[in-house]
Amino acid sequence: QLQLQESGPGLGKPSETLSLTCTVSGGSISSGNYHWGWIRQPPGKGLEWIGSIYSDGTTYYNTTLKSRVTLSVDTSNNQFSLKLSSVTAADMAVYYCARHSGIAVPDYYGMDVWGQGTTVTVSS
Amino acid sequence: DIVMTQSPLSLPVTLGEPASISCRSSQSLLHSNGNNYLDWYLQKPGQSPQLLIYLASNRASGVPDRFSGSGSGTDFTLKISRVEAEDVGVYYCLQARQAPRTFGGGTKVEIK
Repeated sequence: QLQLQESGPGLGKPSETLSLTCTVSGGSISSGNYHWGWIRQPPGKGLEWIGSIYSDGTTYYNTTLKSRVTLSVDTSNNQFSLKLSSVTAADMAVYYCARHSGIAVPDYYGMDVWGQGTTVTVSS
Repeated sequence: DIVMTQSPLSLPVTLGEPASISCRSSQSLLHSNGNNYLDWYLQKPGQSPQLLIYLASNRASGVPDRFSGSGSGTDFTLKISRVEAEDVGVYYCLQARQAPRTFGGGTKVEIK
C-alpha cells in the first residue's frame, strides 16, 4: 500500500526558505503516470494547491506562488521536495503531499493518496 | 486560472436525509475526450482530505455508494443519498482540466 510522509522543520523565520520533503513508501515514485503534488491549508481555511512534479522533473505551479516555489524529485531516494522562499506569516499552514494523475489525461484517477500533513509555523 | 465556486458554505443535515453540494467552474471542465476533470474530496475533522469522486461521477475505491457525483461543463453536484454521522466534515471540489489546479472554497457539512 502506497504511503506518503511529509517531513521538515515545523518552524521557520520570516524571509527564510521553507524546505519540506515527502517520502514515498510502498511503491516507486517513478512508476506509473503519476504526478506528485503539494497542497496547503492555513489554519481554519480551505485547501490551496501549491504545485506538482512528474518523475522526469516536469513541474506545474500555483500562479500566485510560482515565483517563490521550487519543486524537485529524487528518484533514487523515492522522495520529492518543496522549497518556498521568503516566507511570511501568510505561509503558516498544514502542508500535505499527495499523489495524483496528470492534468486532463485519459487515465485520470484524481488525488488518491495523501500524506498526513505537517504543520509549519513562521515566527521570528 | 479557473475559479471554483461552491455552495452552500455550510450545510446542516439530518441523519438519514439526503444532502447536495454544488460546484461551479469559471470555465468548462469538459475535455474533447469526453471527460469532465472535476473531483470531490472530503476532509473529516483532524484528517487529511480523501478522494470521493473523480471525473465528476466516478466513485473512488472504497467510497460508499450513497455518494454520487453528476454534472458536466461548468456545473457539478455531489449528492449524499442518506447522510450518516461519519459524513461530517468539509467537502471540496477540485478542477484538473488545466494547470494550475484549483479547489473550491469548501462546504462544511454538519449534523443538525
